[in-house]
Amino acid sequence: NAGVTQTPKFQVLKTGQSMTLQCAQDMNHEYMSWYRQDPGMGLRLIHYSVGAGITDQGEVPNGYNVSRSTTEDFPLRLLSAAPSQTSVYFCASSLGQGVISTDTQYFGPGTRLTVL
Amino acid sequence: GNSVTQMEGPVTLSEEAFLTINCTYTATGYPSLFWYVQYPGEGLQLLLKATKADDKGSNKGFEATYRKETTSFHLEKGSVQVSDSAVYFCALSSFGNEKLTFGTGTRLTIIP
Repeated sequence: NAGVTQTPKFQVLKTGQSMTLQCAQDMNHEYMSWYRQDPGMGLRLIHYSVGAGITDQGEVPNGYNVSRSTTEDFPLRLLSAAPSQTSVYFCASSLGQGVISTDTQYFGPGTRLTVL
Repeated sequence: GNSVTQMEGPVTLSEEAFLTINCTYTATGYPSLFWYVQYPGEGLQLLLKATKADDKGSNKGFEATYRKETTSFHLEKGSVQVSDSAVYFCALSSFGNEKLTFGTGTRLTIIP
């Protein structure tokens, strides 16, 4: 199993550009989520999905879109990049069945995004 | 809502020292508690967890006990190694609010 994979590892954008961060998992997990990590702020939830076709907003959703057309993939779209979106982005997945609150989350290696 | 407060870092210790990283929480419902570790340049990985009061999670010599009476889940290790240098995150998730809530992280550096 590859686990959770993310591409690209690094990306530099100019203000106003759009892009998609890719996330895939091969563990047949139902629950997937996107976080951003900023210094001194821990990880903050952007969007999450409890299964294919279902998405919902997290703590900091503005400026980001997601879709979940398959169980495996959960891309994150930046519509019009802003310097405030400079961050490290992590995708995570978990089993998402039964008592979800006890699940272990499995994280990808992250994408470091810089917006100029 | 749910929140996690953990010890501010950075923390620097000598090899073989005793480690404690404090974590306290507020939560609705019945939370599960987690410690995740992030090694340099990597994503987070689960270190240990406890899903009910008085449970002790343990892994790689680290331990944490779920204390409902003090709403705490402090991370401890008896003798740290240089390889334990990383950022440690306390986190929780609760029934009815399954989104994982993280603390701000504690950077630990172990010097030989």
